[in-house]
Amino acid sequence: SQQGEEDPQALSIQEGENATMNCSYKTSINNLQWYRQNSGRGLVHLILIRSNEREKHSGRLRVTLDTSKKSSSLLITASRAADTASYFCATDHPNFNKFYFGSGTKLNVKP
Amino acid sequence: DVKVTQSSRYLVKRTGEKVFLECVQDMDHENMFWYRQDPGLGLRLIYFSYDVKMKEKGDIPEGYSVSREKKERFSLILESASTNQTSMYLCASSFIRRGLAGGNEQFFGPGTRLTVL
Repeated sequence: SQQGEEDPQALSIQEGENATMNCSYKTSINNLQWYRQNSGRGLVHLILIRSNEREKHSGRLRVTLDTSKKSSSLLITASRAADTASYFCATDHPNFNKFYFGSGTKLNVKP
Repeated sequence: DVKVTQSSRYLVKRTGEKVFLECVQDMDHENMFWYRQDPGLGLRLIYFSYDVKMKEKGDIPEGYSVSREKKERFSLILESASTNQTSMYLCASSFIRRGLAGGNEQFFGPGTRLTVL
């Protein structure tokens, strides 16, 4: 399956610490996206990184992509309790309009 | 503010009932999607539509059908609900993108938690 897999499945940190989540996938991609889901709600798009990019920043988010290792990481710096959520990576499908989602990393930021 | 709305946040139905889940988007998006989300399994695509009256099966279409009569509305139908269809159902939409530059952001609705008794 093309599906991305996040690691770890769950992560618990203190407020102010950095949180790192990883995503691995199986076949070549054109781009990879990260989404966030608050408990019981829909997903919200965070950031997209294209296959020819190695790193991208958005506020406190930093995403890296290593196409040789077929992996990506999402770093949240100076985490806040409000960052508590599940985070999903989505890799594109041969039909460019569809994506494969992983099963997510559940992040708990303790105040 | 862009919006994807789903007809119900919570729904309880009985086995064998016909169930309609409605999704409406106000962004003039060509693509619309129905996913189900189960613990440990992530999001799985049920059906996808790239235009009015057009549909494409996703990874788990069995037991479901869809309807897209208008661009803004995408309906998921459970012809005869079963207990194994108890799940969170998420609708999403996006602009169509062609070519290698693809990578269009999906906008999600708040989800419908369906329980089939």
